[in-house]
Amino acid sequence: SQQGEEDPQALSIQEGENATMNCSYKTSINNLQWYRQNSGRGLVHLILIRSNEREKHSGRLRVTLDTSKKSSSLLITASRAADTASYFCATDRQGAQKLVFGQGTRLTINP
Amino acid sequence: GAGVSQSPRYKVAKRGQDVALRCDPISGHVSLFWYQQALGQGPEFLTYFQNEAQLDKSGLPSDRFFAERPEGSVSTLKIQRTQQEDSAVYLCASSRPSPEKLFFGSGTQLSVL
Repeated sequence: SQQGEEDPQALSIQEGENATMNCSYKTSINNLQWYRQNSGRGLVHLILIRSNEREKHSGRLRVTLDTSKKSSSLLITASRAADTASYFCATDRQGAQKLVFGQGTRLTINP
Repeated sequence: GAGVSQSPRYKVAKRGQDVALRCDPISGHVSLFWYQQALGQGPEFLTYFQNEAQLDKSGLPSDRFFAERPEGSVSTLKIQRTQQEDSAVYLCASSRPSPEKLFFGSGTQLSVL
């Protein structure tokens, strides 16, 4: 069963705009990660944020984590057509090796 | 190789047929995971290996699913007597001992007719 739920399920924006995706989860976590999946391909790791961190940046990506609300957001700034993909959050719990993925957000960047 | 390699890329099976899906992880990666991804959904965990030991198989949907990694490197996911509901993309991922960053293969798309 899925741990996380992404919101929105689908998002379509113009190139150059910012894209924000949200993820909620149910149980306490150790880390939260975001992955990108292009159509017909495997997932690619984007960024990891630990449970004791609140915000993290990597290039055009900004991730926030609110453990009190059990939620995270991924912001992609100055979007490009190449950012078109599905984005998934994934969580792991202390002592557990497996990552549990959410349902994903399908992002479309229109040129 | 440089990344995780999965074969075949596509597999069409008749209902009732057995299939075997192969995963070549990144050299030196201790952990190996199998996930099942239905169309439009997120990956669902199937099973996890640390070296040759299968430490978690809680996600395998039935006893028709079997995975092995006998030498701690290449892994095979076998599905016996395939059913239509087994149709999905099967993803393999590998990582260093902790699950902090998984490296995924491109997957095997299984279609059961």
